[in-house]
Amino acid sequence: DGGITQSPKYLFRKEGQNVTLSCEQNLNHDAMYWYRQDPGQGLRLIYYSQIVNDFQKGDIAEGYSVSREKKESFPLTVTSAQKNPTAFYLCASSTISGGRHEQFFGPGTRLTVL
Amino acid sequence: AQSVTQLDSQVPVFEEAPVELRCNYSSSVSVYLFWYVQYPNQGLQLLLKYLSGSTLVKGINGFEAEFNKSQTSFHLRKPSVHISDTAEYFCAVIGNAGGTSYGKLTFGQGTILTVHP
Repeated sequence: DGGITQSPKYLFRKEGQNVTLSCEQNLNHDAMYWYRQDPGQGLRLIYYSQIVNDFQKGDIAEGYSVSREKKESFPLTVTSAQKNPTAFYLCASSTISGGRHEQFFGPGTRLTVL
Repeated sequence: AQSVTQLDSQVPVFEEAPVELRCNYSSSVSVYLFWYVQYPNQGLQLLLKYLSGSTLVKGINGFEAEFNKSQTSFHLRKPSVHISDTAEYFCAVIGNAGGTSYGKLTFGQGTILTVHP
């Protein structure tokens, strides 16, 4: 079945450590996105990528980094510079042609900083 | 730029009662509109979308929404809810600027629907 996988489902980090969240899709989508979700704030865009080896900052990119070396993969690194990283992180993907704008979401990774 | 306001943060309702979750948006260009549902500790699932055409859009699980351009609204409705509809619901918008859109969804803050027996 086609879809988006995120791993791990739960992640614990000590302050000062970098962590990388995995996102893989087999939908053959060109575009991929990372969102952060906090209670009562909806979803906020961290980074997005429309094509391999290219990505753009979203609304809250500070303290995060990404790479897009393969079409199927879009890992997110939460660096020690992110001051409040505890949140639920969601990865999504979509086509970017033909007016089809539906984004498909993965199951999410819950990051907790201890 | 666009913004989305979901007018109710929480909506309690009894089983088999009708429900309406309200969503208003603002945008300087025409828009595509979406409703997503999120069950606890899960990702988002698309309920329905408005891209063009009929302003009444039907989605999964018996939900429907009506696009009202003059009132810039896209309210979600269901005539009879079930316990299993208990979840958080998000309204989202993408600006349609002349056919080129990079798909940046802007989300509302979410509405928690709780269905009581």
